[in-house]
Amino acid sequence: DAKTTQPNSMESNEEEPVHLPCNHSTISGTDYIHWYRQLPSQGPEYVIHGLTSNVNNRMASLAIAEDRKSSTLILHRATLRDAAVYYCILSGWGAQKLVFGQGTRLTINP
Amino acid sequence: EAGVAQSPRYKIIEKRQSVAFWCNPISGHATLYWYQQILGQGPKLLIQFQNNGVVDDSQLPKDRFSAERLKGVDSTLKIQPAKLEDSAVYLCASSTKMGWERRRETQYFGPGTRLLVL
Repeated sequence: DAKTTQPNSMESNEEEPVHLPCNHSTISGTDYIHWYRQLPSQGPEYVIHGLTSNVNNRMASLAIAEDRKSSTLILHRATLRDAAVYYCILSGWGAQKLVFGQGTRLTINP
Repeated sequence: EAGVAQSPRYKIIEKRQSVAFWCNPISGHATLYWYQQILGQGPKLLIQFQNNGVVDDSQLPKDRFSAERLKGVDSTLKIQPAKLEDSAVYLCASSTKMGWERRRETQYFGPGTRLLVL
């Protein structure tokens, strides 16, 4: 399975943008990049996914590098409710399932 | 639209006892997943169903864990006998995609069942 590398933790301030990085140097051409987040005491929830082009939805934006070896999840204006563990996951031909790593624990300061 | 339902939310048992968890996926979702999440780790896939057939159970400890999905809807996960290391949150998820399309699916997770084995 293609692996992803994320920082263990990040910290940001409320109402500021947050950029969560993810490296996936062994990504294959058919792998989708998924982001999920897990709030305390809850199951993971879908945030966004993409293949090659940048993607936007109401929750976040996903910026994918041109060589696809890295991506960045962008929260445009963080709130306290965005404090969670964020998982970057690849899913494609080799692994038609989500393989969760350790994720990045995001702390938002008031 | 109702989400993925799981019960019970919490369970405390002694080692060597048996326990069962129940999951009701979102209506119409063909694919159902069971994950185990140990404290401080990401969820780990235990078993994956497509309708009522098993797609992937490669990480299910089959000597003690079993799962079934009756009529392609509800599912139960059972542990018998339980060990201390089974203490974890058991998450159920469902999605609409099947086969190759699972690579771009969105999985919807339930709240989980927190199991403590003493």
